[in-house]
Amino acid sequence: NAGVTQTPKFRVLKTGQSMTLLCAQDMNHEYMYWYRQDPGMGLRLIHYSVGEGTTAKGEVPDGYNVSRLKKQNFLLGLESAAPSQTSVYFCASSSTLSYNEQFFGPGTRLTVL
Amino acid sequence: GENVEQHPSTLSVQEGDSAVIKCTYSDSASNYFPWYKQELGKRPQLIIDIRSNVGEKKDQRIAVTLNKTAKHFSLHITETQPEDSAVYFCAAMNSGGYQKVTFGTGTKLQVIP
Repeated sequence: NAGVTQTPKFRVLKTGQSMTLLCAQDMNHEYMYWYRQDPGMGLRLIHYSVGEGTTAKGEVPDGYNVSRLKKQNFLLGLESAAPSQTSVYFCASSSTLSYNEQFFGPGTRLTVL
Repeated sequence: GENVEQHPSTLSVQEGDSAVIKCTYSDSASNYFPWYKQELGKRPQLIIDIRSNVGEKKDQRIAVTLNKTAKHFSLHITETQPEDSAVYFCAAMNSGGYQKVTFGTGTKLQVIP
């Protein structure tokens, strides 16, 4: 099993450009999450999904959109990138509603100039 | 919503000494408390967790304690080794309804050989 994978690993954008980050998991997990990690801020939840076709806002959703058309994939979109979105983005998945480990992807380092 | 505070932000110990990281949470409904370890440039990985019906849990050199009344929990690492050097994140979750995990801001542990 590959676990949780993310593409791309690195990306540099100019302000105003758009892009999509892809997260894929092969563990048949129901829940998927997108976090951003900034120095001194820990992991902050952007959006999450409790199943195929469903998404919801997390702690810092502004400027991002998500889609979960297939159970194994969770996409994070930036419609008009801003320097404040420079961060490391982690995707994670977990299998049930309660008491379960979150499995993280390797991360995507995004720089917005 | 839940607020998780983590202290200290950095911690240096001599190899063989013990390290203690403390977290407090605000939501009395939180009932699951995982700890994640993130090595430099890698993804966070679960190292130990505790549920609210247990006061202490131990796994070899690491242990976690929980005080529900005071709403705080701690990670204890004994006989530290250089490979323990990493950033450690505590988290709190309410397993009822939506499984929302709130992370602390992280502790950078340095074990000096």
